[in-house]
Amino acid sequence: DVKVTQSSRYLVKRTGEKVFLECVQDMDHENMFWYRQDPGLGLRLIYFSYDVKMKEKGDIPEGYSVSREKKERFSLILESASTNQTSMYLCASSSNRQGHLNEQFFGPGTRLTVL
Amino acid sequence: QKEVEQDPGPLSVPEGAIVSLNCTYSNSAFQYFMWYRQYSRKGPELLMYTYSSGNKEDGRFTAQVDKSSKYISLFIRDSQPSDSATYLCAMKFGNEKLTFGTGTRLTIIP
Repeated sequence: DVKVTQSSRYLVKRTGEKVFLECVQDMDHENMFWYRQDPGLGLRLIYFSYDVKMKEKGDIPEGYSVSREKKERFSLILESASTNQTSMYLCASSSNRQGHLNEQFFGPGTRLTVL
Repeated sequence: QKEVEQDPGPLSVPEGAIVSLNCTYSNSAFQYFMWYRQYSRKGPELLMYTYSSGNKEDGRFTAQVDKSSKYISLFIRDSQPSDSATYLCAMKFGNEKLTFGTGTRLTIIP
C-alpha cells in the first residue's frame, strides 16, 4: 500500500514565522506535489517536483518555496507566514510507471492556522 | 471562467437513492477524467478514472464522459451512509498536471 505521510495534522503559527511542512512517501515515486485546499476553490497546485533537487512552480507559488533533497521527502516552506496562508495543505505523490495516468496518492493533510 | 466547474453542493439524499455528480470543463485537450473521494479529515483517494469518452462501471459506481458536451458524471446506485464524502472531479492530458473541480459535498441520510 502506498503511504504518504505529513509531519503534522494541525499546526498553529504566528504571522511572520517561518513554517516547514514535511511530506514523506514510501513507494519510490518520482513525482511529488503540494496543494492547498480552500472551500469554494478546490485543490490548487503550489509546487511540484519530478525528481530530486528539481522543482516546478504550480498555479499559486507566491509566498512558498520547496525543497527536495531526497526522493522520498518533499518539504513546503512558508518563508514568512501570513493569515491568507491559513488553509489545508495536501501532499501527493505519483509514479511515472503508470504511463500518463500518474495516479496521485495523497497524504492526510495539514491544517495550518496563521494567527 | 474556471477550466473545470463543479457544483459544491452540499447535496443530501436518502439512503438507497441514486446520486448524480457532475462536472463541466472547457479544455477540449483533456484525456483522463478522474473522480476522487475525500472523507472528512482525510486526503482524497482515486475512486475511478476514464480515458477519453464513454462509460465505466465499478460496482455501484458509474463514470460517464461526454466529450462533445465537455461534461462528466459520476453515478452512485443504492447509496449508503458510507458514501458520505466530498467528491472531486479531476482532469488532465498527456503528462500535464491535474486540474481539479472544487468538490461536491455529499451526505447520505440513513
